[in-house]
This record gives sequence, structure tokens and C-alpha cells, in this order.
Amino acid sequence: ILNVEQSPQSLHVQEGDSTNFTCSFPSSNFYALHWYRWETAKSPEALFVMTLNGDEKKKGRISATLNTKEGYSYLYIKGSQPEDSATYLCAFRSENQGGKLIFGQGTELSVKP
Amino acid sequence: DAGVIQSPRHEVTEMGQEVTLRCKLISGHNSLFWYRQTMMRGLELLIYFNNNVPIDDSGMPEDRFSAKMPNASFSTLKIQPSEPRDSAVYFCASSSTGTGAYYYGYTFGSGTRLTVV
Repeated sequence: ILNVEQSPQSLHVQEGDSTNFTCSFPSSNFYALHWYRWETAKSPEALFVMTLNGDEKKKGRISATLNTKEGYSYLYIKGSQPEDSATYLCAFRSENQGGKLIFGQGTELSVKP
Repeated sequence: DAGVIQSPRHEVTEMGQEVTLRCKLISGHNSLFWYRQTMMRGLELLIYFNNNVPIDDSGMPEDRFSAKMPNASFSTLKIQPSEPRDSAVYFCASSSTGTGAYYYGYTFGSGTRLTVV
């Protein structure tokens, strides 16, 4: 069974705080690691697809790193804003499972003004 | 491109009735995934298709659930008979199974919120 774990489960921060959360995934048969942003009542929106060990990706104030050897990825948000409030999902794709993604349970971020 | 299109957006039905959820893929995508979102289990994969062929249906809860992909751009998920515990948001997502620079991951539809009373 492939397990994808995210921590923390939820996070409450003040506007302007920087924050980060963790995704851990199996370190064998790695193909790709995805991050999605999911706002309430909407559908998950792709943030990053990461495929190489040591990858760093950035989109505005949000960035992510990847360590495939040890099976973890970090998502960072610099200077959080209320509009960053959402659930952040990571998803693991294995080499031998076609296009199937296994999702973590998500980290729910709430940014207070 | 209009993205992945799901219908209906909301469905309220009585226990025992048949429910059909629909999904239109993004043009050029060749993989289709049906997910169910619940509070308890998060996003769980029900079934996925590559090039119209079902690859993995191990997540389909029981025989009451069935999914088809009659052509390259359209899929249905049917529940017959429906039960209150089937109440959830059902998402479909499409993807291209290209590799490297052509692999962009999933694009999700807006979901169907199903309530079975």
C-alpha cells in the first residue's frame, strides 16, 4: 500500500507570516510529486509537478522542494495572505502505476488578516 | 479549452434511485480518473482509464458502482441503487500520460456534489 502523509493537518497563521508544510511519500519507484491548492467549493488546482531529486519550483510567494532519496517534499509560503487560505494537497505518482496519483490528506491553511 | 466539465454540479436523490455522473475530458488528454471526496477519507481514487480502457478499478466501493468511457472524450460514473453513504463530492480529472516536459499532471473538473436521502 502506498502511503502519502502530510503534516501538519491544519495551520493557522497571521497575515505576513511565512509558513511551510511537509509531504512524505515512498522513496522507491518514484516518478513524480504533485502539489495542488484546493479552495473550498472549488476543484484542486495544480501548483507544481516535480520529477527530479533536488528540484525546486517557485510560483510567486509559493515554492517547493523535493528529496526523492528520503521521500519528502516541502511547500513554503512567504508572507502569507488571507487569499492563500486553502487546503494544500500533495500527490505521489509511482513509476509502475500508470498515471495514478495517491493523494495525501492535505494541510488546511487559514491565514487571518 | 473549457477544461474538464462535470455534470450535474449538484444532485439530490432518494435512496434506491440510479444516479449518473458525467465527465468530459480536455481535448488531447488520454487518461481519466474518478475520485470521491469525503471528510473521513479525503480524495480516494475510484477508477481510472487510459485510452478508454479501465486500468485500475480497485477503488470502486462495490458492485453498485460502475464506470464507462464510451469514447475518448466522455465518461460516466453510475451508482445503482444509491445509498445515503454514497453522499460525497465526486471529481473527475484528466491527464495526458506523456512524459518529461509533456507531463503536466491532472486537471480536475469542478465536481458533482451528490446527496442521497
